[in-house]
Amino acid sequence: SQKIEQNSEALNIQEGKTATLTCNYTNYSPAYLQWYRQDPGRGPVFLLLIRENEKEKRKERLKVTFDTTLKQSLFHITASQPADSATYLCALDSGGGADGLTFGKGTHLIIQP
Amino acid sequence: DAGVIQSPRHEVTEMGQEVTLRCKPISGHNSLFWYRQTMMRGLELLIYFNNNVPIDDSGMPEDRFSAKMPNASFSTLKIQPSEPRDSAVYFCASSLRAGRGNQPQHFGDGTRLSIL
Repeated sequence: SQKIEQNSEALNIQEGKTATLTCNYTNYSPAYLQWYRQDPGRGPVFLLLIRENEKEKRKERLKVTFDTTLKQSLFHITASQPADSATYLCALDSGGGADGLTFGKGTHLIIQP
Repeated sequence: DAGVIQSPRHEVTEMGQEVTLRCKPISGHNSLFWYRQTMMRGLELLIYFNNNVPIDDSGMPEDRFSAKMPNASFSTLKIQPSEPRDSAVYFCASSLRAGRGNQPQHFGDGTRLSIL
């Protein structure tokens, strides 16, 4: 089964700087990789999806990269704001053609004003 | 538009009792997923349905857990009998049907379950 590693320690970033979060996976290469944001007491909210043949995807201040050789995705938030503080989850398809997702445990991001 | 609706938001019950969690997916979505989230294990897929049919229940921890989807707008996850180790936040999510995780999933705000 797929194993996903995200930095379990909280990431503290100064407001206005770029926050970079890492998602590493083992075993098979997923066809799709997704990033979600989760606030306390709420369900995860979809942010971005990137396909295995795409190297980079952008949406406003967000950028995701996908390196199938390194088995890694990086998630960037530029010009970070305190409102960006949340837990960010990486998710990959579960393989075998299934529709379910395998999630990492997430990285808690704190943007300091 | 209404998102995924889960009920109840919180449930506290005693060990051995039956627990039923409910989910209403987004209208038009034909895939529905049940997840469980704990600090130790993170977010885990329990079971998912396509067009109301259970496709993969390999994540269901034990026979005490069961899920149904009698129609396109309603699903239940039942635990009978419940045990303290079942305490977790249970999420329901829905999406358009597609293969290999190529569709965003839309999550409800979960049911926080505490088994005493």
